Amino acid sequence: DIQVTQSPSSLLASLGERVTITCQTSQSISNNLNWFQQKPGQAPMLLIYYATSLQTGMPSRFSGQFSGRSFTLTITSLEPEDIANYFCLQHYNTPSTFGGGTKLELK
Amino acid sequence: QVQLTESGPGLVHPSETLSLTCTVSGFSLTGYSVYWVRQPSGKGLEWMGRMRYNGDTSYNSALKSRLSISRDTSKNQVFLKMNSLQTDDTGTYYCTRGAMGMDYWGQGVMVTVSS
Repeated sequence: DIQVTQSPSSLLASLGERVTITCQTSQSISNNLNWFQQKPGQAPMLLIYYATSLQTGMPSRFSGQFSGRSFTLTITSLEPEDIANYFCLQHYNTPSTFGGGTKLELK
Repeated sequence: QVQLTESGPGLVHPSETLSLTCTVSGFSLTGYSVYWVRQPSGKGLEWMGRMRYNGDTSYNSALKSRLSISRDTSKNQVFLKMNSLQTDDTGTYYCTRGAMGMDYWGQGVMVTVSS
């Protein structure tokens, strides 16, 4: 199975700050990685698909990039509604595997 | 709009069988795959298996001996059955739509395995 290492596991940030979360895969997966946001008691919501494509309706302050086996999710300017858990998913092959998640909190 | 809703018992006794239903709307089961994903308590997300749009299934090898996924397209439902449940199967179970990897998720159903 492909291992996905997500960092950091938790993050304190201030409103307006630039936030970056990273997922590293154990082997090449091309661009087959998605990013999700999950708030307590809610279903996960797709933010970024195929590593760089912003899901329809998601704010443009969210962006995804990748280079090789390293993938990043960036929030350019943190808003209060961005406080949530974030996780990545590789869907290059089965079983799909997930990053361990990042809990984003306000400083 | 696309919706997935999981349902099933909140409590299962050890060694018994878990039966969950994922009811979908806003898309056809013959056009999209549906996956089951779980998050055992205190652990990360785990891909359990999938029902493909054409009716084929595939399973996580770690769960394959205990797991079965089926569907009823007329009712827009996908079913999960997992036997021989143990306490470490306690957690939240999700169904998700398989588009662009995975896109839409249900809210999840919490399952507790306890006597």
